[in-house]
Amino acid sequence: TQLLEQSPQFLSIQEGENLTVYCNSSSVFSSLQWYRQEPGEGPVLLVTVVTGGEVKKLKRLTFQFGDARKDSSLHITAAQPGDTGLYLCAGEGQAGTALIFGKGTTLSVSS
Amino acid sequence: GAGVSQSPRYKVAKRGQDVALRCDPISGHVSLFWYQQALGQGPEFLTYFQNEAQLDKSGLPSDRFFAERPEGSVSTLKIQRTQQEDSAVYLCASSLAPQPQHFGDGTRLSIL
Repeated sequence: TQLLEQSPQFLSIQEGENLTVYCNSSSVFSSLQWYRQEPGEGPVLLVTVVTGGEVKKLKRLTFQFGDARKDSSLHITAAQPGDTGLYLCAGEGQAGTALIFGKGTTLSVSS
Repeated sequence: GAGVSQSPRYKVAKRGQDVALRCDPISGHVSLFWYQQALGQGPEFLTYFQNEAQLDKSGLPSDRFFAERPEGSVSTLKIQRTQQEDSAVYLCASSLAPQPQHFGDGTRLSIL
């Protein structure tokens, strides 16, 4: 069974601080996706990483895929209150169809 | 609209009742997925359609859960004889290929 472990589960920080969220697995994934979800809404795709060692940047967000394609991280620089939300990592399952999600990291950024 | 539409947004039912949740995918999207999301958790896969064919239903928790997509567009997730543990947000996602998936805002189901 493929599992994704996310840490930390909860994160509460002040505006301007940096943070990193981790997503780890013992399984290899063909790709890994990061989503952000706000209350009452569905997950919204932030980025997809495919190649081992890949780094992608989206404004203040930096995503990295591990060399072995088993883990990923999301780093946010100078967090803002608008970054508040549930961050989810998801990997393509072995069949390459359904996504396997981590339990998520709930981020709260206060001003 | 251009996104995945789910209805109803909220559903309250008494234990034992049957419920039906609807998903209108993005027009032209071949793949359709249903996920169940418990409060504060990540979504968990329920079932997957490619056009009208249900290719994977391994995530359905029991035979009380049934999904269909008869014409390859709109899909319905039906839960029979609901139980309190069925309370969750049910998310639908659609895509042209399996990835990337575009999610609707979900149906929040509460079983009393």
